[in-house]
Amino acid sequence: GDSVTQMEGPVTLSEEAFLTINCTYTATGYPSLFWYVQYPGEGLQLLLKATKADDKGSNKGFEATYRKETTSFHLEKGSVQVSDSAVYFCALTRPRGQNFVFGPGTRLSVLP
Amino acid sequence: EAGVAQSPRYKIIEKRQSVAFWCNPISGHATLYWYQQILGQGPKLLIQFQNNGVVDDSQLPKDRFSAERLKGVDSTLKIQPAKLEDSAVYLCASFSSGSAYEQYFGPGTRLTVT
Repeated sequence: GDSVTQMEGPVTLSEEAFLTINCTYTATGYPSLFWYVQYPGEGLQLLLKATKADDKGSNKGFEATYRKETTSFHLEKGSVQVSDSAVYFCALTRPRGQNFVFGPGTRLSVLP
Repeated sequence: EAGVAQSPRYKIIEKRQSVAFWCNPISGHATLYWYQQILGQGPKLLIQFQNNGVVDDSQLPKDRFSAERLKGVDSTLKIQPAKLEDSAVYLCASFSSGSAYEQYFGPGTRLTVT
């Protein structure tokens, strides 16, 4: 079945450091890909998405590119802030929103 | 617009007891999901509804879990009887087909089974 793998956490960075969180997926066809974020004490919210190969999703300085050839959707940010401290989840879904699958999450801590 | 509403926010029960969770999705959202999120893990899909019909319940432990969405709006998830391993946050999410599958999540119900 479909699955999502993320890099193990926690990830600890200093403010203004470069961030990469790796995400790879296993799925047939062309799923849509997502990054969700869960800030401390808050619910899950969509960070960015890409619905077809080579699409780049971006939001709040975060970016991720849908790479069909490497089945990857790595999350990047050029300069992290303390306020980016959260748990980040990579996810995929089939057409019509069927079979949403989430990765295990990666906890990011940004130190001032 | 109002977000996804869930209640209760917290529930503590003893094993073998029953419990029910309620979810009201965003108005007009035909698709509704229930997820189980165990501490330190990603959400695991339990069941997906399209209006009042079940699209996918392949990961729902049907011997103890049940869910319904009778009028295609709000939904109830029930556990009977509960086990210790059911301790988790139960999340409800909805989306509109016109939003490229962007799910909107509720705040969740934290269940503790003792």
